[in-house]
Amino acid sequence: GAVVSQHPSWVICKSGTSVKIECRSLDFQATTMFWYRQFPKQSLMLMATSNEGSKATYEQGVEKDKFLINHASLTLSTLTVTSAHPEDSSFYICSARPIQSSYEQYFGPGTRLTVT
Amino acid sequence: EDKVVQSPLSLVVHEGDTVTLNCSYEVTNFRSLLWYKQEKKAPTFLFMLTSSGIEKKSGRLSSILDKKELFSILNITATQTGDSAVYLCAIIDFGNEKLTFGTGTRLTIIP
Repeated sequence: GAVVSQHPSWVICKSGTSVKIECRSLDFQATTMFWYRQFPKQSLMLMATSNEGSKATYEQGVEKDKFLINHASLTLSTLTVTSAHPEDSSFYICSARPIQSSYEQYFGPGTRLTVT
Repeated sequence: EDKVVQSPLSLVVHEGDTVTLNCSYEVTNFRSLLWYKQEKKAPTFLFMLTSSGIEKKSGRLSSILDKKELFSILNITATQTGDSAVYLCAIIDFGNEKLTFGTGTRLTIIP
């Protein structure tokens, strides 16, 4: 149980285009999902916390107009990187917290974004 | 601001050796400390520690927390090549329930 999927697993896009990444909890419902970014050989940095039915809470330094987060249902959150630039190239990982839990997070497999 | 520092940053040992990975932290209102193993993809959960002095064990891996000195260690005995990975330590603050990760320790096991 507690499986989280991400789609796509990798994507290459041109500079200036937008890319949408989906995060789904497959066998549980999640009121809260988290989006992280990880640069090579660095740790996971929390970008934003996404709550179902409400606006996401962004961490300091993360542009909310550039990284659009939508959490429309208890099993799906999406991250859209708008007007992507090469410096947005990174590994994006989501995690989902089950409704009945206050601390557990289950991680998705990640999405590797390369902007050319 | 919550902070997690891991050491060493990287470690190379031979198969069969025992390793100890360190994690120290600063947190406003400590709830728990978690250890994860990250290979090529997303982290996989290893342990969650909430109380001091109680060792958590899973096979060759074990971990313990010292809330007075604000650190935790992760031990791996009789290491195998499959243990090669980045080991991440993270803390949860009671106030915001978010995970704050350390930079990780990259462990390489040489056959």
